[in-house]
Amino acid sequence: AAGVIQSPRHLIKEKRETATLKCYPIPRHDTVYWYQQGPGQDPQFLISFYEKMQSDKGSIPDRFSAQQFSDYHSELNMSSLELGDSALYFCASSLVPLLAGPSTDTQYFGPGTRLTVL
Amino acid sequence: AQTVTQSQPEMSVQEAETVTLSCTYDTSESDYYLFWYKQPPSRQMILVIRQEAYKQQNATENRFSVNFQKAAKSFSLKISDSQLGDAAMYFCAYRLASGGGADGLTFGKGTHLIIQP
Repeated sequence: AAGVIQSPRHLIKEKRETATLKCYPIPRHDTVYWYQQGPGQDPQFLISFYEKMQSDKGSIPDRFSAQQFSDYHSELNMSSLELGDSALYFCASSLVPLLAGPSTDTQYFGPGTRLTVL
Repeated sequence: AQTVTQSQPEMSVQEAETVTLSCTYDTSESDYYLFWYKQPPSRQMILVIRQEAYKQQNATENRFSVNFQKAAKSFSLKISDSQLGDAAMYFCAYRLASGGGADGLTFGKGTHLIIQP
């Protein structure tokens, strides 16, 4: 079965540079989530998009922005990179049920992009 | 804000034996979902099992089962017949059940599971 695709898988940047991470959700999934996992830490939720609109927001720095495009892929843009931004960035996708009420959608994670800031 | 606590940073079990990983959470909500994710050395996040809070029956997936105690806000994972491939970091996660359905997960700090051959 098709999984979430993230590119690039590895990225090395210098301080103060910018980076763009891309995420291609599982086909027919309409919701995308971004997480940041620092070394030895648990994943921290950054932001999510449902049907191309921002849905939920977590601990995303102001230097970061994200969007979801018409084909449902998403990009995380990171500017003025700092050493502390070095982490594994996960994208996850899900399909939100059409019926109103509690959602049972499950988030499926991509392999992650490892960002190293020097 | 919701919090998830995993009090066991590391657990070790003999191959073929049973191990239980603990997780407690704090929330004022009544409708939510709980998950266990596995992260092997490859760092891929793999869903192990999920539980809907409105269901009293504990979820099971083959060798994996949970003990969900809603009143105690406890959600432990039992792995039966442990296999070498079960060695990984296990994260407990919480998600609010809302009409939108796009809420982020709140993770615990994780439990590193070691399988002794």
